[in-house]
Amino acid sequence: DTGVSQDPRHKITKRGQNVTFRCDPISEHNRLYWYRQTLGQGPEFLTYFQNEAQLEKSRLLSDRFSAERPKGSFSTLEIQRTEQGDSAMYLCASSSSEYNEKLFFGSGTQLSVL
Amino acid sequence: AQTVTQSQPEMSVQEAETVTLSCTYDTSENNYYLFWYKQPPSRQMILVIRQEAYKQQNATENRFSVNFQKAAKSFSLKISDSQLGDTAMYFCAFGSNSGTYKYIFGTGTRLKVLA
Repeated sequence: DTGVSQDPRHKITKRGQNVTFRCDPISEHNRLYWYRQTLGQGPEFLTYFQNEAQLEKSRLLSDRFSAERPKGSFSTLEIQRTEQGDSAMYLCASSSSEYNEKLFFGSGTQLSVL
Repeated sequence: AQTVTQSQPEMSVQEAETVTLSCTYDTSENNYYLFWYKQPPSRQMILVIRQEAYKQQNATENRFSVNFQKAAKSFSLKISDSQLGDTAMYFCAFGSNSGTYKYIFGTGTRLKVLA
């Protein structure tokens, strides 16, 4: 069990640029989640996948955000035309399909939009 | 829609003492899960304890226990014999059983254990 890994750990970008984050879940986990967390707040749900299918998206996820999970393995989260309000920690988590199995979180990607 | 409320933004406790963190939630579902997650300053979130709503018995994990009051929609976390390593943000979370598997988190309680 190597845990959930996220890359990069930190990303600084200029407003208007596109960014992409990667998440590698625990290998046997078929559910993968993306959350956004701002300072002093709890994680806000963005989207989740079961295998390669994206089953739910939050209304927080504007059309500038897109997530994929090709072949049900790793996942990417892309933000196009970044805005300063996108600055946050982006957390990835995975779980098995056993009913409400606990979430295993990655260390997150800290995004700063200048 | 489900909501999770943590009304204590910050708390402190002396080492070796006991502290209780509060959480209330709102849902129309009957079957669900509740969780407490810990996020230390290094920021990787880890599960502390889990409670199934259909179980009347309160969950315990070593020094951590919960007081689950289903009718009152209350789910508090008790930490006994507090240790310096317990210093962290604590998040209460709700897990649905309605066909959607997203988890809803509260805004967190920052706990500081004092030496």
